[in-house]
Amino acid sequence: VQLLESGGGLVQPGGSLRLSCAASGITFTNYGMAWVRQAPGKGLEWVSEISGSGETAYYLDSVKGRFTISRDNSKNTVYLQLNGLRAEDTAVYFCAKDLRMGMFFDIWGQGTMVTVSS
Amino acid sequence: IVMTQSPATLSLSPGDTATLSCRAGQFVGNKLAWYHQKPGQAPRLLIYGASTRATGVPATISGSGSGTEFTLTISRLQSEDFAVYYCQQYNEWPLTFGGGTKVEIK
Repeated sequence: VQLLESGGGLVQPGGSLRLSCAASGITFTNYGMAWVRQAPGKGLEWVSEISGSGETAYYLDSVKGRFTISRDNSKNTVYLQLNGLRAEDTAVYFCAKDLRMGMFFDIWGQGTMVTVSS
Repeated sequence: IVMTQSPATLSLSPGDTATLSCRAGQFVGNKLAWYHQKPGQAPRLLIYGASTRATGVPATISGSGSGTEFTLTISRLQSEDFAVYYCQQYNEWPLTFGGGTKVEIK
């Protein structure tokens, strides 16, 4: 079982990025998938999660209206579109597999770094 | 739900027992998970349901508690146990993590 994130990088304030997380070794549609971030030297912060069908999604208040989570079950991939980026969004973004939906995370990717700076 | 972990740092020697606390700002029942994280690595699930060990987690790691007060105990500390530990509630959205407890070598 593996989760592989990509898409991070350096972006100016107000800019956009799309993060991807490709899963292998699991029946992808059975599980909720989440993004959890970690600012440099700080703790973990849940950002967003999407149900196995893709019909239901939840967001951290501070990213609502700016970030959008989606998934393509034909590609076993979950995405996080980041718009209107702010300096405080700078973090390592981890993709994580939920046991079902709205529970805990038993598989994590290695993370992708997003840096928001001018 | 605000999750508060204490202490922030625990300085112990190999072979010691570590006792970590996690307090929820509201009732979460037993919907509490624990993770540890080593520098430069992703978190790893240790405990869910407040007291159920995840696959491959040794019996030296145990969780207890319910409601709002939870404890993670690590017996006979080994080198791989020195890390940062996080609790996480999953009783309601948004899912929230505690600020972490660093277990360091004394």
